[in-house]
Amino acid sequence: GQQLNQSPQSMFIQEGEDVSMNCTSSSIFNTWLWYKQDPGEGPVLLIALYKAGELTSNGRLTAQFGISRKDSFLNISASIPSDVGIYFCAGLHSGGYQKVTFGTGTKLQVIP
Amino acid sequence: GAGVSQSPRYKVAKRGQDVALRCDPISGHVSLFWYQQALGQGPEFLTYFQNEAQLDKSGLPSDRFFAERPEGSVSTLKIQRTQQEDSAVYLCASSLYSQETQYFGPGTRLLVL
Repeated sequence: GQQLNQSPQSMFIQEGEDVSMNCTSSSIFNTWLWYKQDPGEGPVLLIALYKAGELTSNGRLTAQFGISRKDSFLNISASIPSDVGIYFCAGLHSGGYQKVTFGTGTKLQVIP
Repeated sequence: GAGVSQSPRYKVAKRGQDVALRCDPISGHVSLFWYQQALGQGPEFLTYFQNEAQLDKSGLPSDRFFAERPEGSVSTLKIQRTQQEDSAVYLCASSLYSQETQYFGPGTRLLVL
């Protein structure tokens, strides 16, 4: 099935650094979502974006819905050890129900 | 407040065995989704229920996969004659209504030997 392309695939950063990751698609989406998945758990929704160009923050997280509607990025500022995990972008088409298409994931490691 | 629960958390099956994976959604949630997550990949949609009705099963990989939600609450994903390529984490998610946020369970990790 289709999956969105995320980059980087993995990253190691020092605690306190800022992080940026992005997601691209060949399809247009009407909603972009960002999830975090901890080992042995299901994904947890972090941020939802509903409008092209929209910039939304949730604490230290900031995400943007690309103008083309085919991309999105997620920034994490001042990283802390509990930010470790896998971050997934996901896209939704409008109407009906939430048939979510997930990205390939970015694995984040934070070095204390 | 209970979240989505899944059982078993881990399942080892011999190739050719049938398995049944259970999902208990959040009470009152109308919508229920199943996803398959292969190692190192993002979850992929399998099927969607609205109450007891299976409205979309387009993601089921083969006719060996079958899902049901007979009373509109608990759901079971059954895989017949398991194959090694079925090894994955199977995630269940529920939402209050179809357009609302999905809440995921911890998943069942299936290993087919």
